[in-house]
Amino acid sequence: NAGVTQTPKFRVLKTGQSMTLLCAQDMNHEYMYWYRQDPGMGLRLIHYSVGEGTTAKGEVPDGYNVSRLKKQNFLLGLESAAPSQTSVYFCASSSTEYNTEAFFGQGTRLTVV
Amino acid sequence: AQSVTQLDSQVPVFEEAPVELRCNYSSSVSVYLFWYVQYPNQGLQLLLKYLSGSTLVKGINGFEAEFNKSQTSFHLRKPSVHISDTAEYFCAVTSNTGNQFYFGTGTSLTVIP
Repeated sequence: NAGVTQTPKFRVLKTGQSMTLLCAQDMNHEYMYWYRQDPGMGLRLIHYSVGEGTTAKGEVPDGYNVSRLKKQNFLLGLESAAPSQTSVYFCASSSTEYNTEAFFGQGTRLTVV
Repeated sequence: AQSVTQLDSQVPVFEEAPVELRCNYSSSVSVYLFWYVQYPNQGLQLLLKYLSGSTLVKGINGFEAEFNKSQTSFHLRKPSVHISDTAEYFCAVTSNTGNQFYFGTGTSLTVIP
């Protein structure tokens, strides 16, 4: 049972560089989410998707873009990384049934220097 | 929209003592409530959830929580903690009008030998 898989697990970027974080889920979930976790701030929603081909902004979308070309994958892009984007990023997915929880990946620790 | 407030950012407790982690929510619609646990350098895993029915919900690892609609609270309790319970705990809410999950800022539980 893979569940939700994030790649990479760690990454160091220089300011201005770009990168893409990949999230893959094998549970056939419709909904997928990207969160960032910072000390004392909990988890904040960056972008989310309610189905293949759809995306929407969350609480802190600036500086990020996302794509959901396939149902099982949700990509998070940083076009020009900034030190303020140093964080731990979590992907999650959930089904369309409102009584189910979100399932999380193991996280990606990103440092922008 | 919904929001979650976790009243304690850090809770130290001695081993085998009881603990309560507090969570209050705000919402104008019916809600579903969750507690997640995050061990160091790991993703979030579900402890328990309240959907409907009995207001006392039992979860994994001996934890339980009580939904109190009048006080808009969903406090997490354990009668006797173990060293292995040391972790970050997050309260989360979603509603039956959408499927965004809103998280609190987390409570760091430290169990002291």
